[in-house]
Amino acid sequence: SQQGEEDPQALSIQEGENATMNCSYKTSINNLQWYRQNSGRGLVHLILIRSNEREKHSGRLRVTLDTSKKSSSLLITASRAADTASYFCAPSGTASKLTFGTGTRLQVTL
Amino acid sequence: GAVVSQHPSWVICKSGTSVKIECRSLDFQATTMFWYRQFPKQSLMLMATSNEGSKATYEQGVEKDKFLINHASLTLSTLTVTSAHPEDSSFYICSAKAGGYTGELFFGEGSRLTVL
Repeated sequence: SQQGEEDPQALSIQEGENATMNCSYKTSINNLQWYRQNSGRGLVHLILIRSNEREKHSGRLRVTLDTSKKSSSLLITASRAADTASYFCAPSGTASKLTFGTGTRLQVTL
Repeated sequence: GAVVSQHPSWVICKSGTSVKIECRSLDFQATTMFWYRQFPKQSLMLMATSNEGSKATYEQGVEKDKFLINHASLTLSTLTVTSAHPEDSSFYICSAKAGGYTGELFFGEGSRLTVL
């Protein structure tokens, strides 16, 4: 099955700064999804980008996808303390199940 | 968005007992649900795919007799950890995909199991 690998493993920024995290994967995909997990909670779907899309926006989130490089990035602009969480990418192919990497742990400090 | 409810949110049990965790889709029908487990500061590990009305498909290395999955209706899947041992202590999370699947999964809030 597909699995993405997020980079960096951990990221610490100050409130108001932008946070960028990257995802690399190895096989062909239909779409790629980003999820957030607050400590001790379930995952929340953030955004889905299809394989024929290069960029997508949702509020303060901006996702890019480069299928030739098999990579994606998630940008969170004007970060807030509430953005502190782990972020996971999930490349999705023909199988409906999703597998996850180790994620990027984002810490936003005041 | 679609809501998935998971119960209980935490449970403590004695070694050797069985524990059942429920996963319900509250406002949509879920033909397929997925069960994950997560150890502290680690990623989610997919355990099995639960299909309504049929047997679950387990990932390699997951004992199907240890982790019993039942998906008897379009809104409910259950995971039973049988004869639990301390090494089964973990965070278990379910997710579901809705009919008219657009690709995203909806996750429950997780169940933290502690086996004494």
